[in-house]
Amino acid sequence: NAGVTQTPKFQVLKTGQSMTLQCAQDMNHNSMYWYRQDPGMGLRLIYYSASEGTTDKGEVPNGYNVSRLNKREFSLRLESAAPSQTSVYFCASSGQGSQPQHFGDGTRLSIL
Amino acid sequence: GDSVTQMEGPVTLSEEAFLTINCTYTATGYPSLFWYVQYPGEGLQLLLKATKADDKGSNKGFEATYRKETTSFHLEKGSVQVSDSAVYFCALSGGHGSSNTGKLIFGQGTTLQVKP
Repeated sequence: NAGVTQTPKFQVLKTGQSMTLQCAQDMNHNSMYWYRQDPGMGLRLIYYSASEGTTDKGEVPNGYNVSRLNKREFSLRLESAAPSQTSVYFCASSGQGSQPQHFGDGTRLSIL
Repeated sequence: GDSVTQMEGPVTLSEEAFLTINCTYTATGYPSLFWYVQYPGEGLQLLLKATKADDKGSNKGFEATYRKETTSFHLEKGSVQVSDSAVYFCALSGGHGSSNTGKLIFGQGTTLQVKP
């Protein structure tokens, strides 16, 4: 019963390094999302993919890119990491419309 | 645009106390409303939801009623346990700000600590 799987769980980067966060879901969901969680700010949407083959910007897309590789997988890439991108990143997926989202356990990313 | 506002935390209660966490929202259209819970070191889990006005969502002793007239979705539990200690997020989806893409707009989260 995997649900949404994120890798890695923890990562430390140096400023300027690049990295890809992986996310996969096994619930046959159409929509997938990437959020970042910062203290006192809740979760903010970075990018989302409403269906396979489409991606759109969320509230805070600057410094990130995404790829919807297939229906199961949705990756988030930091091309040149900055300390302001230190955060906990969550991937989520959902069925059509306003169906509840299912979340992964998060990736804790520190950028020095 | 659409937004969600939660009461600031942390909220500290003794075991068996009554819990209320306030949540109000601003949205055009007819959003669905959700409460998610995040236990330490974990991702968010759906706690309950309501999809239209006057609906009551309930789960694990928690309840929340979708009040369109006051644009509120307050979370309540009659008797909290130590195991309820977590961060609680109110969220909406499906207002005009999020259309029908399923995007969630979250409040900032309220930390609940229950002491024995």
